[in-house]
Amino acid sequence: GAGVSQSPRYKVAKRGQDVALRCDPISGHVSLFWYQQALGQGPEFLTYFQNEAQLDKSGLPSDRFFAERPEGSVSTLKIQRTQQEDSAVYLCASSLSGYYNEQFFGPGTRLTVL
Amino acid sequence: AQTVTQSQPEMSVQEAETVTLSCTYDTSENNYYLFWYKQPPSRQMILVIRQEAYKQQNATENRFSVNFQKAAKSFSLKISDSQLGDTAMYFCAFISPGSGNQFYFGTGTSLTVIP
Repeated sequence: GAGVSQSPRYKVAKRGQDVALRCDPISGHVSLFWYQQALGQGPEFLTYFQNEAQLDKSGLPSDRFFAERPEGSVSTLKIQRTQQEDSAVYLCASSLSGYYNEQFFGPGTRLTVL
Repeated sequence: AQTVTQSQPEMSVQEAETVTLSCTYDTSENNYYLFWYKQPPSRQMILVIRQEAYKQQNATENRFSVNFQKAAKSFSLKISDSQLGDTAMYFCAFISPGSGNQFYFGTGTSLTVIP
């Protein structure tokens, strides 16, 4: 079956532009996560959805970051007025409900802000 | 707060040999799960092995096994009979009910298998 997909795979933005990153989770997966992975670092948690409800957004670094999952499947991470420090790989993961379940990761979107 | 530490930024191993990657963590939780994820170059992160903290028996998945020392808060990964396809970044991760549903990842160990 299909895994987690993300688009675009690469995005170059000029500082100040808005970007939208898309995640298609595995069908039937209730939980969806967004992570930010800086170069040479491990992924860092951004936000978590259970179906369409955003249950935890404690990892979002600023109010320029916004995520949604309106129908409980596809999710979009939006970054407004991008800054150079936003340059990173943004990973999406999905899992069956429950914190202990394996998270399946997408290939990531590499964002470069010039 | 939970922290995960991987003290070996880079490691290498000869093909067919055994290598151990270290991971330590800090938590006040008693119930939690530990994971090792593998991230091959330019490819998606995939689960290697998982350990439940309440289980004393170390998890094993084919050539991959862990040495889980709960009191020492240590969770090392042993790869036996290393293969070229094992070349990747390896991340140790922690999750618990008390930490919500988020993984805490270490900074990773880059493993190179030498032919």
